[in-house]
Amino acid sequence: DVKVTQSSRYLVKRTGEKVFLECVQDMDHENMFWYRQDPGLGLRLIYFSYDVKMKEKGDIPEGYSVSREKKERFSLILESASTNQTSMYLCASTMTSGRIGEQFFGPGTRLTVL
Amino acid sequence: AQSVTQLDSQVPVFEEAPVELRCNYSSSVSVYLFWYVQYPNQGLQLLLKYLSGSTLVKGINGFEAEFNKSQTSFHLRKPSVHISDTAEYFCALRNSGNTPLVFGKGTRLSVIA
Repeated sequence: DVKVTQSSRYLVKRTGEKVFLECVQDMDHENMFWYRQDPGLGLRLIYFSYDVKMKEKGDIPEGYSVSREKKERFSLILESASTNQTSMYLCASTMTSGRIGEQFFGPGTRLTVL
Repeated sequence: AQSVTQLDSQVPVFEEAPVELRCNYSSSVSVYLFWYVQYPNQGLQLLLKYLSGSTLVKGINGFEAEFNKSQTSFHLRKPSVHISDTAEYFCALRNSGNTPLVFGKGTRLSVIA
């Protein structure tokens, strides 16, 4: 059974803290994605990665960075958390071009910044 | 630029009634279209996808969608809904194998007993 796992389901942090959200997939997928989900706004793309050590900005990268040191792991980093980053964060992965496959999603991390 | 518009943010419907969730898209190139479902406190799960071929696509849980290129639409339908279909539904598109999905804002389906 294919799987995308996220390190925490719920996380509470304080303003100014550095926050790491981890995502791991076991499907040997090349492409990985981080989205945030907010009511009424749907899913918005933060960053994505086509391969190890590669990263591309999505639609809302400000205040975030990412790291992909290994193929299976894609980390989202909030350098200095702020209250407007309180949200649900979803990680996803998909295989590379040549096949138009589905994107597989993790269960999400609900982050609250106080 | 590509975009997806889900015309209804909330759709209440009685159990065993039919439902249609509307999705329109905008793109200057060919697209691949998807519907995802998100049950409470869970991640997204693929319902169905249109890649090519027959414009009527059948998915899981009795859902189907029809691709209409002239109307740039990909509406989702189910002839008879169950309480368990209560969830948020997202329409999405992409134009190649490794480009990110572009999502609509979602439609919350509430099935009433």
